[in-house]
Amino acid sequence: EDKVVQSPLSLVVHEGDTVTLNCSYEVTNFRSLLWYKQEKKAPTFLFMLTSSGIEKKSGRLSSILDKKELFSILNITATQTGDSAIYLCAVFTSGTYKYIFGTGTRLKVLA
Amino acid sequence: DVKVTQSSRYLVKRTGEKVFLECVQDMDHENMFWYRQDPGLGLRLIYFSYDVKMKEKGDIPEGYSVSREKKERFSLILESASTNQTSMYLCASTPSGTSPLHFGNGTRLTVT
Repeated sequence: EDKVVQSPLSLVVHEGDTVTLNCSYEVTNFRSLLWYKQEKKAPTFLFMLTSSGIEKKSGRLSSILDKKELFSILNITATQTGDSAIYLCAVFTSGTYKYIFGTGTRLKVLA
Repeated sequence: DVKVTQSSRYLVKRTGEKVFLECVQDMDHENMFWYRQDPGLGLRLIYFSYDVKMKEKGDIPEGYSVSREKKERFSLILESASTNQTSMYLCASTPSGTSPLHFGNGTRLTVT
């Protein structure tokens, strides 16, 4: 059965800290891995990764994929209170044409 | 910018009622999805559609049905609502599997 596992489930840090969120997967016919940020409403897209070892970066956020070890990390440096959210990881599988989500990591950044 | 609109932000229904959740996207996307989101369980796929009048069961289709009569609209139907269907429902669309999902703002459904 295809599955995506995120860790930790929740995290509390102080402003300025650096955090690393983890996403591991076991799926057939992997095509891509996606990261989303969810605050009060719709998840918003952060990154899509398809190739191993190539870092994607946007401001203080970055992400990388390891297709050999079947995981991805999302790094947030110099965290701010506005980074408080649920971070979702999803994997798209071309066999079943599904986006499979992990349970998410709830991040709280304290001022 | 892609816009995915869900018709209701909050909905309260009684057990046994038939419930319709509507989703409309404005970017001519082929693929549309319905998920439910519950604490500790993440997003679980209920149904998806890759073309008009086409539908595929997701991981938890029991108690739900869908309708896609027009490309831009994907409706989720709870034939007879039950309390265990109290949840956040998220609709999403994408032009293809090589593209990200675009989500609506969600409908928080409470069944009493």
